[in-house]
Amino acid sequence: GIQVEQSPPDLILQEGANSTLRCNFSDSVNNLQWFHQNPWGQLINLFYIPSGTKQNGRLSATTVATERYSLLYISSSQTTDSGVYFCAVDTYSGAGSYQLTFGKGTKLSVIP
Amino acid sequence: SAVISQKPSRDICQRGTSLTIQCQVDSQVTMMFWYRQQPGQSLTLIATANQGSEATYESGFVIDKFPISRPNLTFSTLTVSNMSPEDSSIYLCSVGEGNTEAFFGQGTRLTVV
Repeated sequence: GIQVEQSPPDLILQEGANSTLRCNFSDSVNNLQWFHQNPWGQLINLFYIPSGTKQNGRLSATTVATERYSLLYISSSQTTDSGVYFCAVDTYSGAGSYQLTFGKGTKLSVIP
Repeated sequence: SAVISQKPSRDICQRGTSLTIQCQVDSQVTMMFWYRQQPGQSLTLIATANQGSEATYESGFVIDKFPISRPNLTFSTLTVSNMSPEDSSIYLCSVGEGNTEAFFGQGTRLTVV
């Protein structure tokens, strides 16, 4: 099956710093999503981005499908950005169904 | 987008008992998905639930342990049966027809003692 690798696995930032999270995938995908899991376990949708670049406030994401990677940029980080960031790719699993495969996540800690 | 109400949000259960988790979606969807997230790990798909048919389980997950119901197009339940401490995880339901954005419920944090 498809492999999804995220880096770095852990990241500690001073409040106000910028960061880039990376997601590499081993095969062609139909789409790619970025999620933020808050400390209570809820997955928050950040971006649905099969290709191109999107921005939402201090966050932006770029997917280069031909080179099989996606980047999530966090600017001017805040303590509320802390949590785990997951990349997930959607691939066709046969019989008309699709399946999301998640990376292992990047655990971000933003300290005051 | 879809709004999914999942409950309970958390529970502490005795080993050997069962817990049923419910997910209610604010719109009709063909497929619903159930995931498990063990402590410090990523999400693993348990099964896909289609209305009107048996759920499709992923390798390593069986119906006797994780029975699923899908009585209509807006609702599904997952039961974690005969629980052991190894079942302590976050369980999440999700919707998202193939090749579209996926949305998740709030998650159920289960602790088995």
